[in-house]
Amino acid sequence: NAGVTQTPKFQVLKTGQSMTLQCAQDMNHNSMYWYRQDPGMGLRLIYYSASEGTTDKGEVPNGYNVSRLNKREFSLRLESAAPSQTSVYFCASTILGVETQYFGPGTRLLVL
Amino acid sequence: GQQVMQIPQYQHVQEGEDFTTYCNSSTTLSNIQWYKQRPGGHPVFLIQLVKSGEVKKQKRLTFQFGEAKKNSSLHITATQTTDVGTYFCACAYNFNKFYFGSGTKLNVKP
Repeated sequence: NAGVTQTPKFQVLKTGQSMTLQCAQDMNHNSMYWYRQDPGMGLRLIYYSASEGTTDKGEVPNGYNVSRLNKREFSLRLESAAPSQTSVYFCASTILGVETQYFGPGTRLLVL
Repeated sequence: GQQVMQIPQYQHVQEGEDFTTYCNSSTTLSNIQWYKQRPGGHPVFLIQLVKSGEVKKQKRLTFQFGEAKKNSSLHITATQTTDVGTYFCACAYNFNKFYFGSGTKLNVKP
């Protein structure tokens, strides 16, 4: 039981490049979330998916797209990376009715 | 967007001293969660509070939810070096969507 896994762990991009961050959970959780954490700050919600087949915007969705591929997987795509998107990205999941969020280890992204 | 304020930003204490962090929301919450993040790590769930005026304890940690469900606090009694990290509140307004405070970074001097 791996919990929440994220790939890659680190990534360096040039401005304008695209990439997809992958997240998977093996806990049969219904809801999944993508957050970004900038240095010295709290987490800000980018997108979330309350259940398979649904996605909703969070606080800071601009410049990102998401796909809830199935119950296990929730990906985050940067179509044209910008330096302002340099951050640590965390994926989290919860089971319906419990709301305890289990976080993945994070992806550290640097956009030059 | 929702306003979540967490204070203080930093706290340096001597081992054995107490520590408290406060979280305030501009509007009524459905529930609030508390997380701890060690340097270089990911947030780890500590507790969830749902009821007005609720108080929960976990060993040396005491969590309170205000009567108006707009504020909360986390108090650590007799801090230890293992308590080092950043403590975040996560405020929910409709149970599904969470807004995190900016965190309180705790440093404990042995």
